[in-house]
Parts: sequence; structure tokens; C-alpha cells
Amino acid sequence: NAGVTQTPKFRVLKTGQSMTLLCAQDMNHEYMYWYRQDPGMGLRLIHYSVGEGTTAKGEVPDGYNVSRLKKQNFLLGLESAAPSQTSVYFCASSYGGPGANVLTFGAGSRLTVL
Amino acid sequence: KQEVTQIPAALSVPEGENLVLNCSFTDSAIYNLQWFRQDPGKGLTSLLLIQSSQREQTSGRLNASLDKSSGRSTLYIAASQPGDSATYLCAVSFNNAGNMLTFGGGTRLMVKP
Repeated sequence: NAGVTQTPKFRVLKTGQSMTLLCAQDMNHEYMYWYRQDPGMGLRLIHYSVGEGTTAKGEVPDGYNVSRLKKQNFLLGLESAAPSQTSVYFCASSYGGPGANVLTFGAGSRLTVL
Repeated sequence: KQEVTQIPAALSVPEGENLVLNCSFTDSAIYNLQWFRQDPGKGLTSLLLIQSSQREQTSGRLNASLDKSSGRSTLYIAASQPGDSATYLCAVSFNNAGNMLTFGGGTRLMVKP
């Protein structure tokens, strides 16, 4: 029972490079989320999706893009990485919205931008 | 701006002690409040979810309470153990925040043998 799987777990980029983080869930959840966690800032929502083919902006969406082509996958892209995007990224999923449903988190992806 | 605050940021207690972690939030119009545990280098694990209509939830040695009117929640851990050492985060689903959870900064707990 894998739950939420994130790849890669670690990545180092140079400023201006692009990359994609992959999140996969096997729980048939409708909602998926991407958060970033920074020291002293807690977790902040980047983008989320309420179902296959849908995406929406969260609290800190600038510099990121997302896609939800398949229900089980949620991709987070950085088109031109900046040092300010150095962070730990967490994907989460839930059956319904967070107003009534528990979120299941992945183990995180640590990204360093030099 | 709606905010969630956790104080203290860090706490160290001897094994066996009962302890209380605090969470405060700025708007009483909420759907629910959730408590999570995060181990170093790991993701978040949900511990308890309290709906806005509830006053408390219990799971084993954990008890979470909710007082919407005062904008506070507490997580009570009974008979603490070294295995309870982790960071504990609370998160609030505010009524007008759509699908966004607002997280506190967490309390880093160390239980010493």
C-alpha cells in the first residue's frame, strides 16, 4: 500500500534550469496538493487540483506550473529555477476537500537551487 | 490575513510526563482543525481531525480539544515516550479559504529517556 509517492527525493539545480517533480497516489483520491516547507514559514500551498484535468492556484503559485493529466498523478514544474525555490516540497492527497477530509502526505522532495 | 500560531516552537520534557501543545488561530469561522506529526526528513502523518462542531477527539494517548470562540486548540499527550519525539503541526481549514489548509509553524518536541 504505497499511499503518496514523490520522485525524486533529492535534486540539485543551477539557477535557470528546469525540472519536474512527480507525485503519484494509489488511493483514488480526487484532491491533490503541492506544498513547500521552509524554516520558520510552515507549509504553504503552491497549487492544488480537485480532480483530473483541473488545477488551481494556492498561496504561493508564482514560478511554478502544475498538471493533472491522470487522476493518480500530479506534476509540479519549475520552468526557470531560482535560489528562492530552494525548499522541501510535499505532495498530499485527499478523498474530498480539506474541510472534511484527512490529507495523506508524501515523504517530501528536497530541492536545492544554486 | 488568517494565521495559525504554535507556541512554543520547541519543548523538551522527561519521559512519562503529560504535556500540552498549543495552537491558536485568528478566525473562528473554520471547517476543521487537524493535528499532524512530522518526523525528521519525513512527510506529515495525520493524528487527529476535529470538525468545527466538535469539542475534542481522542486517539490512544492523544487528546485534541477545540475552542472556536477563543481561537485555540490543544493537543494533550499522556505519559510521553521517547518515540513521541517529533514536530507537531496544527492546520486549520478556514471557511472562506476554499481548499487551502493554513499551517502553524510547528512545535518540535523532544522526550528524554
